[in-house]
Amino acid sequence: QVQLVQSGAEVKKPGASVKLSCKASGYIFTSYYVHWVRQAPGQGLEWMARMNPSIGTTAYAQSFQGRLSVTSDTSTTTVYMELNSLRSDDTAVYFCTRGNWNYRDAFDIWGQGTKVAVSS
Amino acid sequence: EMVLTQSPGTLSLSPGERATLSCRASQIVSSSYLAWYQQKPGQPPRLLIYDASSRATGIPDRFSGSGSGADFTLTISRLEPEDFAVYFCQHYGRSPPYTFGQGTKLEIK
Repeated sequence: QVQLVQSGAEVKKPGASVKLSCKASGYIFTSYYVHWVRQAPGQGLEWMARMNPSIGTTAYAQSFQGRLSVTSDTSTTTVYMELNSLRSDDTAVYFCTRGNWNYRDAFDIWGQGTKVAVSS
Repeated sequence: EMVLTQSPGTLSLSPGERATLSCRASQIVSSSYLAWYQQKPGQPPRLLIYDASSRATGIPDRFSGSGSGADFTLTISRLEPEDFAVYFCQHYGRSPPYTFGQGTKLEIK
């Protein structure tokens, strides 16, 4: 079935980097955008970035410019998100999600989420 | 940048009642690129409505979306026990950024 499976939980110290993975299966990987969205504890959803796996182009939210990098590997149908210079307010659950052109790019499939804790 | 404001923050209703959730945008939402998601504790969001009023595959018809311009509504006609959750609206489309509202918590009265 169509799914996105994310890597496991991470605990990092302030100033460190974290790299998360999101493996897609059950659909044509290069035909759909993949986005990253995060959710701080008890808070709402924050869009972070978009990857076009077909041509490798990305778009980032302004608030993450310079410390966020999203890449993809078509051979393994995996999208990666690396966030640098971590701060305590980066503690959140990070989701990858698919933008489906059948729904005019609304986000129809979501990964299970990866919890990232940033603490000294 | 688009700001989406949802109201109320919390809605307390009983099963069988009708729920009306509001999402107001700070700018006109072009081409009705407005979606609604449902999120239960410990789960990722689930797409309910896209293009302001179209139900995603498998979504029960008690869920409906309406509105245009800058004012949008999600209506749940008769609440089932499994409908109590947090609901988010979102502006999406071809051009980022993609903005979410702050959410409405629908709780059992």
